[in-house]
Amino acid sequence: EAQVTQNPRYLITVTGKKLTVTCSQNMNHEYMSWYRQDPGLGLRQIYYSMNVEVTDKGDVPEGYKVSRKEKRNFPLILESPSPNQTSLYFCASTIKWYFFSGANVLTFGAGSRLTVL
Amino acid sequence: TQLLEQSPQFLSIQEGENLTVYCNSSSVFSSLQWYRQEPGEGPVLLVTVVTGGEVKKLKRLTFQFGDARKDSSLHITAAQPGDTGLYLCAGAWDTDKLIFGTGTRLQVFP
Repeated sequence: EAQVTQNPRYLITVTGKKLTVTCSQNMNHEYMSWYRQDPGLGLRQIYYSMNVEVTDKGDVPEGYKVSRKEKRNFPLILESPSPNQTSLYFCASTIKWYFFSGANVLTFGAGSRLTVL
Repeated sequence: TQLLEQSPQFLSIQEGENLTVYCNSSSVFSSLQWYRQEPGEGPVLLVTVVTGGEVKKLKRLTFQFGDARKDSSLHITAAQPGDTGLYLCAGAWDTDKLIFGTGTRLQVFP
């Protein structure tokens, strides 16, 4: 089944304890992205990757890191989590990012709910 | 930063009622998408509109793109409990990003 898989789905941690949220897709998609979802704010992009070894900041990158060493994986790293990073995180992918087009169809993972105490 | 405002933020209605959700911006979109998100899941694409004035229908859901491509609406006819969820619009401005709206949470009671 074609899908985007995120782990863990739920995590409670403490301030300053490094954590990684993994994201893997089995669709050979070039483009991958991380979003955070907070009430009343919709989905805000953290980082995205156009292809292997190509990453760029989204709208809210502070406090996060990413890497794209393989096409299928795009982990989100919180080096020193803080309570304001408590949120619902989504990874998404699409085959390729088409500029000036409505052809971009994102497939989302099921989400990772993170609580930082 | 481009903003997409959705209204209303919350909507609770009875089964069989009609409703409209709005998505507005001061900027012109190159394309506009609507997603539905159910609890415990990620958003799922419903439709993409790309031409000003375009109307698309998906069963009881009608999507309209404004003539000036600055706004969009989603109309649901005879809502059913299965329509319950968070509805998100998302706009592209000819960049490498997709900007999501603030969301409308719909609850349809039997």
